[in-house]
Amino acid sequence: TQLLEQSPQFLSIQEGENLTVYCNSSSVFSSLQWYRQEPGEGPVLLVTVVTGGEVKKLKRLTFQFGDARKDSSLHITAAQPGDTGLYLCAGVWSGGGADGLTFGKGTHLIIQP
Amino acid sequence: GAGVSQSPRYKVAKRGQDVALRCDPISGHVSLFWYQQALGQGPEFLTYFQNEAQLDKSGLPSDRFFAERPEGSVSTLKIQRTQQEDSAVYLCASSFDRGFYEQYFGPGTRLTVT
Repeated sequence: TQLLEQSPQFLSIQEGENLTVYCNSSSVFSSLQWYRQEPGEGPVLLVTVVTGGEVKKLKRLTFQFGDARKDSSLHITAAQPGDTGLYLCAGVWSGGGADGLTFGKGTHLIIQP
Repeated sequence: GAGVSQSPRYKVAKRGQDVALRCDPISGHVSLFWYQQALGQGPEFLTYFQNEAQLDKSGLPSDRFFAERPEGSVSTLKIQRTQQEDSAVYLCASSFDRGFYEQYFGPGTRLTVT
């Protein structure tokens, strides 16, 4: 069974602070995605990374894919209350297997005004 | 355009009842996925369709779970003889083509089994 571990599980910080959340596996991904989910809604795709070492930016969010394609990070600069939500990473492994995405358990992020 | 829709949004079932959950994917999307999300957890894959063909059902937790997509569009997830451990949010996602890029999720159906 392929596992994706996300850390921290919970994070509560003040508006304006910076933060980083992590997604790790012992296996190599062929691609990895980050989603954000708000209560009562489905996950919304933020970014897909494919190439080892790849960095993508989405406004104040910076996504990095590890060189070995086993890990990824999401960095948020100057967090705002609107960033509050559940951040999920989801991967597809190089070895194939099930056709669906495998998700981590998520990081519950709360940005306090 | 319209996104993925799911109905009902909430369902309360007594233990032992059968339930049917509906998913309307984005028009023209070939691939359709069902996921189960327990409270406070990430979604877990249940099953995958490419058009009307169910290509992967490895995530279905028991033979009480059954999914279909007879015309390659709308899909139904059926749970027979519901148990309390079936309580979860059931998410449907669709994508334009086979593969894992750009999956669009519906809002989910929250199932509570009492």
